[in-house]
Amino acid sequence: ETGVTQTPRHLVMGMTNKKSLKCEQHLGHNAMYWYKQSAKKPLELMFVYNFKEQTENNSVPSRFSPECPNSSHLFLHLHTLQPEDSALYLCASSQVLQGTYEQYFGPGTRLTVT
Amino acid sequence: AQSVTQLDSQVPVFEEAPVELRCNYSSSVSVYLFWYVQYPNQGLQLLLKYLSGSTLVKGINGFEAEFNKSQTSFHLRKPSVHISDTAEYFCAVSVINDYKLSFGAGTTVTVRA
Repeated sequence: ETGVTQTPRHLVMGMTNKKSLKCEQHLGHNAMYWYKQSAKKPLELMFVYNFKEQTENNSVPSRFSPECPNSSHLFLHLHTLQPEDSALYLCASSQVLQGTYEQYFGPGTRLTVT
Repeated sequence: AQSVTQLDSQVPVFEEAPVELRCNYSSSVSVYLFWYVQYPNQGLQLLLKYLSGSTLVKGINGFEAEFNKSQTSFHLRKPSVHISDTAEYFCAVSVINDYKLSFGAGTTVTVRA
């Protein structure tokens, strides 16, 4: 595997379910990100992890819970979601120390909350 | 805080015609600028970036962008588009020494034969 991978690619869940999204980067980066992409809206940065430490939480509801066990893996745990949480969830990674700042994205997980 | 405005939400264009996608940013400090492309059912892919130096930046797939500091713009251009360029394009900005990106709302490019 190369780049940034995300699983599952599609997920349908009820409002009472608990599920997790997984992201893995194979680029040796030290920062990882979760974004929410809704139709016709700018990408919303949800969480940032830098060297496994959470450095940003952009007022995300507690029904979204991130986990970063190491620099290569990032999870987003979901529980009691609302229909408005249906969106494409994108994971990204970057190398923050080299000063280039570009982020590399995974293909996303299309989440539908019923 | 920095912000990005993409002035066109949709741009229809005929195959082999030129296209320009407009991006303006606001920031009180120096920035890095990026253009990303998102093909259907895929994540974002970096097209090009401006960090410093020449204000004309060339990227992949024949795209180029010009950084204009006085107008705070970073417009993306391609002289001749293909059907395969149909996608959504995002402009993004990062403040120097802050690795987070702020994205514009995106421009949907539809190329017709």
